[in-house]
Amino acid sequence: DTEVTQTPKHLVMGMTNKKSLKCEQHMGHRAMYWYKQKAKKPPELMFVYSYEKLSINESVPSRFSPECPNSSLLNLHLHALQPEDSALYLCASSQEVGGYGYTFGSGTRLTVV
Amino acid sequence: RKEVEQDPGPFNVPEGATVAFNCTYSNSASQSFFWYRQDCRKEPKLLMSVYSSGNEDGRFTAQLNRASQYISLLIRDSKLSDSATYLCVVRSASKIIFGSGTRLSIRP
Repeated sequence: DTEVTQTPKHLVMGMTNKKSLKCEQHMGHRAMYWYKQKAKKPPELMFVYSYEKLSINESVPSRFSPECPNSSLLNLHLHALQPEDSALYLCASSQEVGGYGYTFGSGTRLTVV
Repeated sequence: RKEVEQDPGPFNVPEGATVAFNCTYSNSASQSFFWYRQDCRKEPKLLMSVYSSGNEDGRFTAQLNRASQYISLLIRDSKLSDSATYLCVVRSASKIIFGSGTRLSIRP
């Protein structure tokens, strides 16, 4: 299994909703990442988990809350988002932090209304 | 100055042409370099890693010039399916930085 699986693929949520994005990989990778990508822009790093511990938070607002329940799963909990948070949210994994070649999931396209 | 810079393009070339684009990076301590390809509304996918000695994978050749701090990607005999955005990615310690991407469009 060489894939990173993200669910849901699409999500529309209101500004008062609470939702979660999920990411799963079974490649034995010990580093997992959340990225945010706006249209025609490169992915922007949000969080890095290394061995299930948060190692980097790129000053992300607290309305985004990551969680790594085990080495295969990474969640992103969303609460009180703003319309400008609408974007493609990408999960990625690699053998180790900064290791050769990320594998990206296909992303969750989030729309906040 | 951005840490990783790419010409945004778009590059619009005919099928069969050779096309090359560069990416410059500012941190001389950068350790690893990659080219990713991203199709419209899809996730980035690793195209190739870039090694100091340069490397080739079929029609694609990647080069690294540490002295001038740039990497390049050459695509020979371009196909319609090569149309995509090509992202330069640079690793420095544990930090991964994406360039803004170069859009390539191959016309019949």
